[in-house]
Amino acid sequence: QQQVKQSPQSLIVQKGGISIINCAYENTAFDYFPWYQQFPGKGPALLIAIRPDVSEKKEGRFTISFNKSAKQFSLHIMDSQPGDSATYFCAASKQSGYSTLTFGKGTMLLVSP
Amino acid sequence: NAGVTQTPKFQVLKTGQSMTLQCAQDMNHEYMSWYRQDPGMGLRLIHYSVGAGITDQGEVPNGYNVSRSTTEDFPLRLLSAAPSQTSVYFCASSYAPSGNYSPLHFGNGTRLTVT
Repeated sequence: QQQVKQSPQSLIVQKGGISIINCAYENTAFDYFPWYQQFPGKGPALLIAIRPDVSEKKEGRFTISFNKSAKQFSLHIMDSQPGDSATYFCAASKQSGYSTLTFGKGTMLLVSP
Repeated sequence: NAGVTQTPKFQVLKTGQSMTLQCAQDMNHEYMSWYRQDPGMGLRLIHYSVGAGITDQGEVPNGYNVSRSTTEDFPLRLLSAAPSQTSVYFCASSYAPSGNYSPLHFGNGTRLTVT
């Protein structure tokens, strides 16, 4: 059972455009939603994260939008740059005990010059 | 600080061979975990540890063993390698459980091929 569904699998965006990646979750106990960014040959690294008590979090060109009732959250990359080309993973976990992160399957983003 | 260090970076094994993937962190993190990354499958948790001497299974533990004798090290053992274990393996650490909004720090991975 896939608890975090991510789409699209791949995405091509022109430089300066907006990249949008969507995730949906099933477990209503989830209350932490991070996004990880992975460059080729490297391990993933935390990009931005949100808690369900806010509907949006912005850090520079990166914004997470969160819809608790729909159990969905998305990553928006404004003014996308070639350096943003990477694989992006959404994830979710719950704040209890030794909860571990459940990752989506990833989105490969290519920003064309 | 080196962060999370994984060795080797690349490894080729024959079916049935055993090996140990090494992982060390110098951030004094209590929580460590192993993931495998396969195309189209995302990151799947193999095993994790919440401190020295304490380990537990993740989503895909079969064929793998772990132990945690020190805070710094968390090796992953493949008992009898199978082609299905061809993957990229990532070790990660964090100072608290992910449920406490603690970011995972990943190593740069070990690319394993089993022929």
